[in-house]
Amino acid sequence: QKEVEQDPGPLSVPEGAIVSLNCTYSNSAFQYFMWYRQYSRKGPELLMYTYSSGNKEDGRFTAQVDKSSKYISLFIRDSQPSDSATYLCAMSNYGQNFVFGPGTRLSVLP
Amino acid sequence: EAGVVQSPRYKIIEKKQPVAFWCNPISGHNTLYWYLQNLGQGPELLIRYENEEAVDDSQLPKDRFSAERLKGVDSTLKIQPAELGDSAVYLCASSLALDTGELFFGEGSRLTVL
Repeated sequence: QKEVEQDPGPLSVPEGAIVSLNCTYSNSAFQYFMWYRQYSRKGPELLMYTYSSGNKEDGRFTAQVDKSSKYISLFIRDSQPSDSATYLCAMSNYGQNFVFGPGTRLSVLP
Repeated sequence: EAGVVQSPRYKIIEKKQPVAFWCNPISGHNTLYWYLQNLGQGPELLIRYENEEAVDDSQLPKDRFSAERLKGVDSTLKIQPAELGDSAVYLCASSLALDTGELFFGEGSRLTVL
């Protein structure tokens, strides 16, 4: 079992839809949880950063962390074609390296 | 504020040739990382620096890969000799400190080995 699992997709949704992206993990020591967006031929761009459990909202994006289930989610409301990208989850513990999921490829169709 | 800068963006070489990638992190970021990203995969750590010290190079294939960060600022990653399987994107990232949880990436250097 990989340390971080993520459905690679591709996921296609119509414009305006609510998108749900998820990752599961096995290491209960993880404390920091991040979501990155990566456009084709670009470096990953930090979208959301959460410490420990709970929710965090930023505009159309909401990140949720459920440490009891070892499950994190990213919700995108009112999705736009410009949201079409690969979304990577990443997590780490204090003083440890970041571990990334393989990414989910999202296409938002106009 | 400038982000993480990497060069070259693209490099095509013949197998067995050497190649080098350069990275300049965000000003003031003490921690620098080199990651490898294969197509359809997430980034995988090659080496992590705290200032000029390589604190984790356990995943760096030391027979052909080397890295340096001489003055604790910019860094170079070298492959010699390159193999076909080294074709990938090499990403540099930096963070203010290891415990902030916020990692900032450069655009990456895409290597093709023929």
